[in-house]
Amino acid sequence: KQEVTQIPAALSVPEGENLVLNCSFTDSAIYNLQWFRQDPGKGLTSLLLIQSSQREQTSGRLNASLDKSSGRSTLYIAASQPGDSATYLCACGANNLFFGTGTRLTVIP
Amino acid sequence: NAGVTQTPKFQVLKTGQSMTLQCAQDMNHEYMSWYRQDPGMGLRLIHYSVGAGITDQGEVPNGYNVSRSTTEDFPLRLLSAAPSQTSVYFCASYLTGTGLGRTEAFFGQGTRLTVV
Repeated sequence: KQEVTQIPAALSVPEGENLVLNCSFTDSAIYNLQWFRQDPGKGLTSLLLIQSSQREQTSGRLNASLDKSSGRSTLYIAASQPGDSATYLCACGANNLFFGTGTRLTVIP
Repeated sequence: NAGVTQTPKFQVLKTGQSMTLQCAQDMNHEYMSWYRQDPGMGLRLIHYSVGAGITDQGEVPNGYNVSRSTTEDFPLRLLSAAPSQTSVYFCASYLTGTGLGRTEAFFGQGTRLTVV
């Protein structure tokens, strides 16, 4: 069974700082990896999808990388803003998706 | 485009009652699944379906039933609710079996269930 771990569980940074969220997985037989954002009491919003053949994917201030050989993915957020405060989840797997427990990000104005 | 729609958004049940959580998608995705999200435990897979008429168990299937009679709908039934089933439930859909494997997963807004 795929095990997905996210470190740190919580992160607090001042506005404007660049930051990196980490995701590791145990089984490299994944089709792709997806990063989500979840605001309190809300559903999951897809941020980035990286196919297993790709090394990275970018959307605006977000950049996600994937290294299947080491079982790791990172989500880089540039010039963080208070509106980025949320829980960030990564998920991967073959047909079924397995989730990490998330990183709760707080960006302080 | 509606995407994935879940109903109801909130529900309170008494122990022993039954209910059905509804999930519908309009993207012609053959793969649909149900997750529950509990504090500190992340999202855990309850049941999934790879197409109409085909369902299978995930990590935590006990106490839940599913069926898939159409591509669009994937209801989750609680047969006899227990306080341990208090959770937030999410439905997801995507395509599998394409040349690139699984496509982007879309999630509903969730159903917050409390069993008293």
